[in-house]
Amino acid sequence: KAGVTQTPRYLIKTRGQQVTLSCSPISGHRSVSWYQQTPGQGLQFLFEYFSETQRNKGNFPGRFSGRQFSNSRSEMNVSTLELGDSALYLCATSGGTNYNEQFFGPGTRLTVL
Amino acid sequence: GEDVEQSLFLSVREGDSSVINCTYTDSSSTYLYWYKQEPGAGLQLLTYIFSNMDMKQDQRLTVLLNKKDKHLSLRIADTQTGDSAIYFCAENNQGGKLIFGQGTELSVKP
Repeated sequence: KAGVTQTPRYLIKTRGQQVTLSCSPISGHRSVSWYQQTPGQGLQFLFEYFSETQRNKGNFPGRFSGRQFSNSRSEMNVSTLELGDSALYLCATSGGTNYNEQFFGPGTRLTVL
Repeated sequence: GEDVEQSLFLSVREGDSSVINCTYTDSSSTYLYWYKQEPGAGLQLLTYIFSNMDMKQDQRLTVLLNKKDKHLSLRIADTQTGDSAIYFCAENNQGGKLIFGQGTELSVKP
């Protein structure tokens, strides 16, 4: 069974630009959560999607948004990028026989110059 | 509030046992997790425990939960150099939202 895939793996953008990251869940998983990981703040929850609906949201500004498609794939978008948005963005998916197990993808490393 | 605390570093010798500790504040947490992160990689789910259990064993891993003190620990028996990584504990009481600790960097010396 294929794991969680995230694309792209690496991105370099400049301030003010926007970026879209993609997450494809494990087959059968319907919940997708996004996390931001930085050396200073650690791992912070961004939002969770289930059946194309946002079910939970963290404390991030409105520049961070997401969506989920009918095949459970999810995208997150960050608009008007700031230097502080440089981070590893991780998605985690759950579902199937055990919704309590969340499996993470390898992450997208975003660098904002 | 929600807060998870871990010590930042642990160094052990190969073959010894490692014990990584974690405290959390949210008494309504339903599940508590341990994840492992190697350099440049995502998080690997090691094990998790339901809040009504006090112990779970899985091969070299033993999780102990003291719900009264809100204390969680992960014991790795016969620690190997391949166990060197950052270990995160996390709590969950709201579906997909995990609250993570800062991570404990485990260094295993030969």
